[in-house]
Parts: sequence; structure tokens; C-alpha cells
Amino acid sequence: ETGVTQTPRHLVMGMTNKKSLKCEQHLGHNAMYWYKQSAKKPLELMFVYNFKEQTENNSVPSRFSPECPNSSHLFLHLHTLQPEDSALYLCASSQSSRDRDYEQYFGPGTRLTVT
Amino acid sequence: ELKVEQNPLFLSMQEGKNYTIYCNYSTTSDRLYWYRQDPGKSLESLFVLLSNGAVKQEGRLMASLDTKARLSTLHITAAVHDLSATYFCAVLNRDDKIIFGKGTRLHILP
Repeated sequence: ETGVTQTPRHLVMGMTNKKSLKCEQHLGHNAMYWYKQSAKKPLELMFVYNFKEQTENNSVPSRFSPECPNSSHLFLHLHTLQPEDSALYLCASSQSSRDRDYEQYFGPGTRLTVT
Repeated sequence: ELKVEQNPLFLSMQEGKNYTIYCNYSTTSDRLYWYRQDPGKSLESLFVLLSNGAVKQEGRLMASLDTKARLSTLHITAAVHDLSATYFCAVLNRDDKIIFGKGTRLHILP
């Protein structure tokens, strides 16, 4: 596997379910990110982890809970979601979130539908 | 609050033609990124523009940055069908957050 991978690619869940999205990067990067891409809105940054420490929580509701056990893996735990949370969730990584010249590499995304 | 606006949001053009996508942003920044996204796929980094007057070219795409005008352009030369995709610009704000535009969906007709 190369680059940034995400699983599952598609997920349908009810509002009472609990599920997790997984992201893995094989680039040796130290920073990882979660983004939400909705049909009618710009790409929104949700969370940033730098060297496994969360450095950014962009006013995301608590029904989204990130976890970064190491620099290569990032999870997004989901519970009691709302239909408006249906979107494409993209993971990205970069060398460091503190290097302003960084370039982010994106995964293919998880298409989430909340019913 | 930094806002990033792209125009047009949708562009349909013939192969062989030239066109430009514009990216305006509302507050000072000296870091601008262009990404490409194919349907159902990842965002792919195209260009990172780091200073005023920066110009970068890759194949039929050329990007430039004017930090004084708060404007970046992505110019397409002699378009080919393979360039059909959605193109995003993104700008680094003062808090080191990357703010994305809504994207320009480019459709190139054979």
C-alpha cells in the first residue's frame, strides 16, 4: 500500500449506530488531518494531529471523536450522527502541521450516509 | 475570517481552448495551494505557491500568485479531455489553517 488509505470507502449508518473510520498513511509523515466535504460547502477542516497530539479541533460536535494512536494511523469514531453529517470524509497527511510550506496528501475518502 | 472564492464554479470548454480559473481571498496570506479532484477520488496536490509573483507550470497547467491583489490564477492551455476534474484552491490563514474554496468543476468536451 502506498500513500494514504481510508476504510471503509462507503458507509451507511443509522442515527443510533456507532462506527469508526480508519485512515493510514505510508508516507512517513507526522501530521494527519480529518476533513469533511459536503455537496454544497467548501472542504472543512475538522481535526489536526501533529506527532500524535491533537493541535486543532475546529468546533466539531462531540458526536465525532478522533483518535491518533501513532503517526501512521488516524480514526474518526462516530456516534448518534445526524442526517446532515452525511458527506465525504477525507483524511490527509503532511510532514508536519507546523511547517508552513507543507503539502498535504489526501486519501480517497469515506462516503458516509446517515439514515 | 479568511474567505476563499473561486470562479467560475463550473466551466465547460472545448478541447484545444485556453481558459483561466480565478481564486480570490479576503485576507493577507503568502501560501496558496491548488488541488485537483477526480470524481470519487482523492484530492491531488498540483501546486504550492509560496510568494508574491510565484509562477509554476506543469504540462498544460500554469498557476500564479499575486499576494497584493490576493489573487491566484490557474491557466489551462490547449485543454484536453483528461483535464476534466474539479480544481480547488486553498489558502493558509494567519492561524496556519488551510481554507478551501468551493472548487471549480471543469468539463472539457472532446
